[in-house]
Amino acid sequence: GAVVSQHPSWVICKSGTSVKIECRSLDFQATTMFWYRQFPKQSLMLMATSNEGSKATYEQGVEKDKFLINHASLTLSTLTVTSAHPEDSSFYICSATFGVGANVLTFGAGSRLTVL
Amino acid sequence: AQSVTQLGSHVSVSEGALVLLRCNYSSSVPPYLFWYVQYPNQGLQLLLKYTSAATLVKGINGFEAEFKKSETSFHLTKPSAHMSDAAEYFCAVTSGGATNKLIFGTGTLLAVQP
Repeated sequence: GAVVSQHPSWVICKSGTSVKIECRSLDFQATTMFWYRQFPKQSLMLMATSNEGSKATYEQGVEKDKFLINHASLTLSTLTVTSAHPEDSSFYICSATFGVGANVLTFGAGSRLTVL
Repeated sequence: AQSVTQLGSHVSVSEGALVLLRCNYSSSVPPYLFWYVQYPNQGLQLLLKYTSAATLVKGINGFEAEFKKSETSFHLTKPSAHMSDAAEYFCAVTSGGATNKLIFGTGTLLAVQP
């Protein structure tokens, strides 16, 4: 079946540095990828929708200059948290789809970011 | 706008007992509804989905859910809980189409007591 891989699964960084998280579709071409953020014991909040070859569409309240999303190929999307601060510490999850319709989403295992 | 409400952030059942996790939705268009399970520090795994076909949907691990339009509900059930069912469960809604933007509920943490 469809597999989405996220890397790294865990990352710890110092405040002020930038961190890149990769989301790869391993056995299918992902036309659209979604990035979610999940705070401890809370639900997933959609951050942005990323279509291959075009700029990401950010949800209201999400800083596009803070969370840079690149979807340069049909199998890779990256989320870069720039100038990270402790409040950016969270669990980031991507999902990918290869088809039109709402029933072909695959989620990655998530990336836990801790900013010291 | 679409939304889902999960009643009960924590549910505790005994092993072998019925599992009932509640989800109510709000949607101005026919919804697609989903239940996902999340184990600690992991991503989401799809349990089942409703996409306007049969109203009673059977999923993996013995779970099922029934779409009730009159009640705007999509509750998740399992006849007999197993210890391995302990996890966080999320209900989600989307209107379908090319965007596949899922709106998640706040989640229900299921504890299974021996």
